[in-house]
Amino acid sequence: SQQGEEDPQALSIQEGENATMNCSYKTSINNLQWYRQNSGRGLVHLILIRSNEREKHSGRLRVTLDTSKKSSSLLITASRAADTASYFCATGLIQGAQKLVFGQGTRLTINP
Amino acid sequence: NAGVMQNPRHLVRRRGQEARLRCSPMKGHSHVYWYRQLPEEGLKFMVYLQKENIIDESGMPKERFSAEFPKEGPSILRIQQVVRGDSAAYFCASSPIQGLVGTEAFFGQGTRLTVV
Repeated sequence: SQQGEEDPQALSIQEGENATMNCSYKTSINNLQWYRQNSGRGLVHLILIRSNEREKHSGRLRVTLDTSKKSSSLLITASRAADTASYFCATGLIQGAQKLVFGQGTRLTINP
Repeated sequence: NAGVMQNPRHLVRRRGQEARLRCSPMKGHSHVYWYRQLPEEGLKFMVYLQKENIIDESGMPKERFSAEFPKEGPSILRIQQVVRGDSAAYFCASSPIQGLVGTEAFFGQGTRLTVV
């Protein structure tokens, strides 16, 4: 089963509004990462938050991590049409596993 | 410094043929990961390799699929006797010497395999 589960699966908002996506996971992690994927393209790394961090900012992005609830959120402020994409959380596992485990993704649509 | 290079970008194969997907990691990266993405789904881990070694192949189907990362040249994901269910986007990622603990992975643009 998937380690990461994003919520919602799809989100449609007006340009200028804020978009919030959530991710839950099951096992202990070393870090959690958010990636963006434009339709038919590769993945672009957005932000990495370590397990001992609670919040991180990068430009219009804000990521929070709650290890007690095993959840993370990605906030995109002042959304733009160019933010339309799928967003995935990926967990970097602690034990032995040099791999990222991805969720199903949230498809974000920004309406002009 | 070029990013992760995958080729071909698109590959069409008939059922029963072989598919070879190539991945050149970023310069200085010694870890390579292969993922598969079915339409409208997330990425599923397939295999993790270092030079000349398969470290973790827990996501690889037991039959028809193999991967290698030779001392010289790109990493190769090989699918023998392809079936329609193999149609997907295959992504390669690489990371520096310390692997993925505490660092990001860099992804290629993917190879879109279509089996007809």
